[in-house]
Amino acid sequence: GENVEQHPSTLSVQEGDSAVIKCTYSDSASNYFPWYKQELGKRPQLIIDIRSNVGEKKDQRIAVTLNKTAKHFSLHITETQPEDSAVYFCAAKHYGGSQGNLIFGKGTKLSVKP
Amino acid sequence: DAEITQSPRHKITETGRQVTLACHQTWNHNNMFWYRQDLGHGLRLIHYSYGVHDTNKGEVSDGYSVSRSNTEDLPLTLESAASSQTSVYFCASSATVVNTEAFFGQGTRLTVV
Repeated sequence: GENVEQHPSTLSVQEGDSAVIKCTYSDSASNYFPWYKQELGKRPQLIIDIRSNVGEKKDQRIAVTLNKTAKHFSLHITETQPEDSAVYFCAAKHYGGSQGNLIFGKGTKLSVKP
Repeated sequence: DAEITQSPRHKITETGRQVTLACHQTWNHNNMFWYRQDLGHGLRLIHYSYGVHDTNKGEVSDGYSVSRSNTEDLPLTLESAASSQTSVYFCASSATVVNTEAFFGQGTRLTVV
């Protein structure tokens, strides 16, 4: 089955700096890679996603890059703000059935210090 | 507004008891999922369903079961609760269209004592 590795597990940055979170996946058939943000005590919410036919996608201060050959994808947050502090999860869509399921990494706790 | 809701939000139960966690969505999504979240393990898939009467095992399905009798609901049952099943449980749903967003419920914090 699919296995998703996520690094680092914790990340602390100064406000205004950039943050990068990296994930690798094992199943070359996976073709959808979303990123979720989970604030303390809240539900995970989608912040950005990328499909395997695209190498990079950007939405304001957030960008995701995908390297299919190396089977890794990364989340980039620029000009970090205190409200970016949260746990971030990457995921890969694993096709174990007709629709496929999201397999998640273990998460990265991002702390942005003012 | 369409939404996905879980109940109860918090529950404490004793070892060996049967427990059912409810999940209800009003988006008319065919796909529904149950995950558990534990520190250091992220979100792990327990069971999933692609439609009415369809259920499938995820990566950590032992000790859990689900049933899908209608589109809106996917209850998760712990047949005989164990302390190892103390966790936060999240239900999620997504549309049939491939590669679309999964929406999560608010979560249920279950403690087995």
